[in-house]
Amino acid sequence: DAKTTQPPSMDCAEGRAANLPCNHSTISGNEYVYWYRQIHSQGPQYIIHGLKNNETNEMASLIITEDRKSSTLILPHATLRDTAVYYCIVRVITGTASKLTFGTGTRLQVTL
Amino acid sequence: DGGITQSPKYLFRKEGQNVTLSCEQNLNHDAMYWYRQDPGQGLRLIYYSQIVNDFQKGDIAEGYSVSREKKESFPLTVTSAQKNPTAFYLCASRAPGTASYEQYFGPGTRLTVT
Repeated sequence: DAKTTQPPSMDCAEGRAANLPCNHSTISGNEYVYWYRQIHSQGPQYIIHGLKNNETNEMASLIITEDRKSSTLILPHATLRDTAVYYCIVRVITGTASKLTFGTGTRLQVTL
Repeated sequence: DGGITQSPKYLFRKEGQNVTLSCEQNLNHDAMYWYRQDPGQGLRLIYYSQIVNDFQKGDIAEGYSVSREKKESFPLTVTSAQKNPTAFYLCASRAPGTASYEQYFGPGTRLTVT
């Protein structure tokens, strides 16, 4: 799987957009970008995934650059409950139960 | 409500004892996973199972064992051979098919071995 690089921590004011970057310069054409988040002492929660088009759901938007070497997760109106560690993962979707490799992620702190 | 349950939330054991962590899901998912998380670190895969009566080693399987006798259950045994068993253990499951790779995680079990 391609390696991802994320900043270790970020701050965001409540109500503002949180933009979390991820570099995945060695991504292959068939690898998807996934985002999960983990609130303290809980299990990770799936947020969104995409291949090359931008994606949006009720939680967030995912912007993938045209060359697919980086992406940005956008939380449009961050709240205190969005304080968590956010993981960017690159993975091939195959027919087998292959694994997700979680790095150390970005610790997002949302403040008043 | 459908979901994944792990019990207990906190578990304390003496060194040298085997301990079994429970993971149950009622999501009708075929694939199940066990991860370990150490403080300030990401998750590392211990074992996974694609189907009943089948499982494969992950990245750090040494000192652990699993069974998959039922679709709903995937218990993890931390044996006395595991050198550093104190950690946060997470179980996950995934729906069949390849349209998505969303994994659903349980709340975790925090194991402390002294």
